[in-house]
Amino acid sequence: GAVVSQHPSWVICKSGTSVKIECRSLDFQATTMFWYRQFPKQSLMLMATSNEGSKATYEQGVEKDKFLINHASLTLSTLTVTSAHPEDSSFYICSAPPNMMNTEAFFGQGTRLTVV
Amino acid sequence: AQSVTQLGSHVSVSEGALVLLRCNYSSSVPPYLFWYVQYPNQGLQLLLKYTSAATLVKGINGFEAEFKKSETSFHLTKPSAHMSDAAEYFCAVRGGGGKLIFGQGTELSVKP
Repeated sequence: GAVVSQHPSWVICKSGTSVKIECRSLDFQATTMFWYRQFPKQSLMLMATSNEGSKATYEQGVEKDKFLINHASLTLSTLTVTSAHPEDSSFYICSAPPNMMNTEAFFGQGTRLTVV
Repeated sequence: AQSVTQLGSHVSVSEGALVLLRCNYSSSVPPYLFWYVQYPNQGLQLLLKYTSAATLVKGINGFEAEFKKSETSFHLTKPSAHMSDAAEYFCAVRGGGGKLIFGQGTELSVKP
């Protein structure tokens, strides 16, 4: 199956700083990537959809100025958490949607963000 | 709009006992349904998927699920639980554009 690589797998940052998370499709091209957030002991919630070459689409309640998404190429989507606060501490996972060859989504390994 | 509901946020079974994790879906179109497992501090691993072919789907690690349209259900089962099955399990339905809509999750505990 297709491989999605997400980095870093974990990061600790200070309040007020920004953190960038990368999501790469290693052996296929992805015009769309999904970004999910998972708080402890909770389910995954879709935050936004990144679209190669155009603006991301954010779910209701997600601050687009805080969670900057860039999809500059067909193999890379990035999520930047700006001016991070402790309440942004969470598990962030990217996913490439199914394509013509596959009926399932492909997930990155996830990034554990801790803001101190 | 599609949605899934997992009944029971926590299920506890004894090693060797039957595992049954419940999932009901709502969808206005024929659904694509998935079960994922998540171990602590790890990503998601696909257990199995239903894509409108056979209604009884077999997955990895001895898990299987049966799609029942009349009951709008897609319950996950395993005949004999193993200690290594202890994890969080998520049922999901594919939404528009390929995004996944997840259930609330069920934590499975396996007692020796």
